[in-house]
Amino acid sequence: DIVMTQGALPNPVPSGESVSITCRSSKSLLYSDGKTYLNWYLQRPGQSPQLLIYWMSTRASGVSDRFSGSGSGTDFTLKISGVEAEDVGVYYCQQGLEFPRTFGAGTKLELK
Amino acid sequence: EVQLQQSGAELVRPGTSVKLSCKVSGDTITAYYMHFVKQRPGQGLEWIGRIDPEDDSTKYAEKFKNKATLTADTSSNTAYLKLSSLTSEDTATYFCTTLTGSSADYWGQGVMVTVSS
Repeated sequence: DIVMTQGALPNPVPSGESVSITCRSSKSLLYSDGKTYLNWYLQRPGQSPQLLIYWMSTRASGVSDRFSGSGSGTDFTLKISGVEAEDVGVYYCQQGLEFPRTFGAGTKLELK
Repeated sequence: EVQLQQSGAELVRPGTSVKLSCKVSGDTITAYYMHFVKQRPGQGLEWIGRIDPEDDSTKYAEKFKNKATLTADTSSNTAYLKLSSLTSEDTATYFCTTLTGSSADYWGQGVMVTVSS
């Protein structure tokens, strides 16, 4: 199985600050079609997860441009430029390359 | 607008089974693979498996192969997750999702299953 390892944030984070969340996969998520099958989700308290970024760097419909994704085949970063109150929650990376689908353990964002 | 509506919370006895439903509206269920994800209280997301409603083919995570059974009914646009031989380890919220990793990524509201005598 592909293992997804996420980094932590130095919580609490001051409002307006920019933060980066890291994720590493145990296998390259770059497929032969040129796409990297890495997704980022945000789960706000008490809600279902919401897709933010797919194919490593493509923003999902309706997602603020304060969110951006980047990386290589195995190392990924989700950047939030100027955190706001609505960004509070747990961020998960997830690989969509192979079965079983696997998620990182989650990175919690708390606001100061 | 596509919506996934899951059945209500369940309180079940250890050793029994429970069947959870996930009804798709706004589109035909055969347009998606339907996945189920487990989240224990205060914990992360764990993929259980997925079903292709077109041909009922399934894939499961190894640890759920003897625990979970996925089915789908195209006539009612509904996917089901059956959990058997329930223990306290199965107490969790279960989500259905299309998990497409694209603009068609939809999630149900989740259903809480509590296993207790």
